[in-house]
Amino acid sequence: DSGVTQTPKHLITATGQRVTLRCSPRSGDLSVYWYQQSLDQGLQFLIQYYNGEERAKGNILERFSAQQFPDLHSELNLSSLELGDSALYFCASGTGNRNYGYTFGSGTRLTVV
Amino acid sequence: KNEVEQSPQNLTAQEGEFITINCSYSVGISALHWLQQHPGGGIVSLFMLSSGKKKHGRLIATINIQEKHSSLHITASHPRDSAVYICAARTTGNQFYFGTGTSLTVIP
Repeated sequence: DSGVTQTPKHLITATGQRVTLRCSPRSGDLSVYWYQQSLDQGLQFLIQYYNGEERAKGNILERFSAQQFPDLHSELNLSSLELGDSALYFCASGTGNRNYGYTFGSGTRLTVV
Repeated sequence: KNEVEQSPQNLTAQEGEFITINCSYSVGISALHWLQQHPGGGIVSLFMLSSGKKKHGRLIATINIQEKHSSLHITASHPRDSAVYICAARTTGNQFYFGTGTSLTVIP
C-alpha cells in the first residue's frame, strides 16, 4: 500500500456519461497530480493541485475538471465521455517540494463503451 | 518531435547482466524522474534528479544537464526487475513530459 488511495479501481460506463474519480493523498502530502495513461498516448499529465489550489495544468480536456478539497482529497470529473477516454487514470501525491518525489496510487481503469 | 526520447524501446537481458536505459530530453527541466511500471499497472517513482547521480540498492540514475541526458542503470539484474521503465521531465513551468517507456524482460 503506497498510502495514496484511488477509488474506484475499475469503472465501466457508457459514452456521454459523467464519472468522478477520487484520490486521497498520502498523509502529510499537500500536492495531488492527475495523469492519464492510454494505449496510444502513453502517460500524460493532466493537472496538479497544491493545498486546494490549481498549481499546473497539462493536457486536460475541457470536458474534464478537477478540484482539491479542504481535507486534501481530490476528485477528477470526466464528462461527455467518449470511447477515447478509456484509459488508466493515476493520481500521485507529493509534499510540493521539488526536491522530493511522488507516490502513485494504484490507478482507476476507466472503460467507456 | 517528442520532448522526451527513451532508448531502447525493448530490452531482454539474462539474469545478472548490467542494464542501461537512456533518456534524452529537449526541454528545460527542474527535475527528471524515473518511474517503474509493473505488469499489473502500478507505478513506482524510482528517482527524482536535478543533477549528478543517485543510487538506491541495485539501481543508479545519472543526469547530465548540459547534454540533456539521463541514464538508469540496473546492476546484477533479476527477473523481478522486469517492468516498463519510464523517464519523465518536469519543466521549470511545472509541465510533465513522458518518454514512451522501455520494456525490460530479465530472463532467469
